[in-house]
Amino acid sequence: EADIYQTPRYLVIGTGKKITLECSQTMGHDKMYWYQQDPGMELHLIHYSYGVNSTEKGDLSSESTVSRIRTEHFPLTLESARPSHTSQYLCASSEWLNSEAFFGQGTRLTVV
Amino acid sequence: EDQVTQSPEALRLQEGESSSLNCSYTVSGLRGLFWYRQDPGKGPEFLFTLYSAGEEKEKERLKATLTKKESFLHITAPKPEDSATYLCAVQGDAGNMLTFGGGTRLMVKP
Repeated sequence: EADIYQTPRYLVIGTGKKITLECSQTMGHDKMYWYQQDPGMELHLIHYSYGVNSTEKGDLSSESTVSRIRTEHFPLTLESARPSHTSQYLCASSEWLNSEAFFGQGTRLTVV
Repeated sequence: EDQVTQSPEALRLQEGESSSLNCSYTVSGLRGLFWYRQDPGKGPEFLFTLYSAGEEKEKERLKATLTKKESFLHITAPKPEDSATYLCAVQGDAGNMLTFGGGTRLMVKP
């Protein structure tokens, strides 16, 4: 079983609030990813990291930002939440770029 | 640009009724094709990786196959606990990231 954890699992927050979604993995993987998924829809990559101090934007434009100060930790931050940010956010990691990715359980974010 | 199309979007089966899910892809230089299972409200769970045409992988009632244009996930004698959304993803030479299809939502009735 993959050791990748996301907190919180569910978050309901008001418009304009700053939020940070946490993601940690204990597998020592260099590659980490954030995906956004609306109900019944495809996964879209919003951020990825090759390793410490490396962050890149994914295919889907997002107002969120990420940081990678430690190998095991890849938090995602929204400075000012809006209802359009309501979605499920999935964190994943992989050993190298063409190996399978392991996903966390996801954070379901609702902005009211 | 890599593209992945899965069909059907939804599939209803009776318990024990075998069937196949399709994943068609276009990619410049396939590095790997991945199958995942996703239960409602959870993250995808890795099932298989296929790297080259002709390759096959099996796990319990599931068998994945790969050609140069598509992959099939065969489900033999499914059980209600096999109900989930099955996702296909590819990684090609042009980009380093996975491109996911829309998934097939499988429902197995007892």
